[in-house]
Amino acid sequence: DTAVSQTPKYLVTQMGNDKSIKCEQNLGHDTMYWYKQDSKKFLKIMFSYNNKELIINETVPNRFSPKSPDKAHLNLHINSLELGDSAVYFCASSQAGGNQPQHFGDGTRLSIL
Amino acid sequence: KQEVTQIPAALSVPEGENLVLNCSFTDSAIYNLQWFRQDPGKGLTSLLLIQSSQREQTSGRLNASLDKSSGRSTLYIAASQPGDSATYLCAVRRGGATNKLIFGTGTLLAVQP
Repeated sequence: DTAVSQTPKYLVTQMGNDKSIKCEQNLGHDTMYWYKQDSKKFLKIMFSYNNKELIINETVPNRFSPKSPDKAHLNLHINSLELGDSAVYFCASSQAGGNQPQHFGDGTRLSIL
Repeated sequence: KQEVTQIPAALSVPEGENLVLNCSFTDSAIYNLQWFRQDPGKGLTSLLLIQSSQREQTSGRLNASLDKSSGRSTLYIAASQPGDSATYLCAVRRGGATNKLIFGTGTLLAVQP
């Protein structure tokens, strides 16, 4: 069974549209994250939730809105998509506490036309 | 501001060689350091996590060391195999209540059969 699963794996859409990416983890972890990997393969954190509460919110445009219905799910909704949003978005999870490793999903490749 | 750099950016070795990947960070006040591998089109797989109080961690043919005072970590891969070909990323976690990872720039490793 996949530990951290994201859907869809690929997303191709027009500029200006609104889209969502879903993430689910079956590891029983308390904390979930969204990362963005740009065209140069650089990974940067966007958001982190612990038990459905937002604990990290990096400098991300407010067009990006994470939603955590329960601690096993963290979805990412993006409004008014722009060309610069094209990237691979990774979801991750970990147990609470800084000494726990993070486990990553396979990523969602978002392409804006 | 923490910056994480990996050298070299790319490395090609013949099968069977031992090799070392380097990771350096500018702020030595880290909580731990984690090494990942990323296969093309895939997410990140956690390889080793070293706590700030530890000097090294080993898993199979992999050995990671940490010198916090000098801001350096190395990943040693013994008897490399073509299946080791991937991008290797190091990430440091800064102190505090959050589990925010700051990623390095990655090393693309190719092991030639």
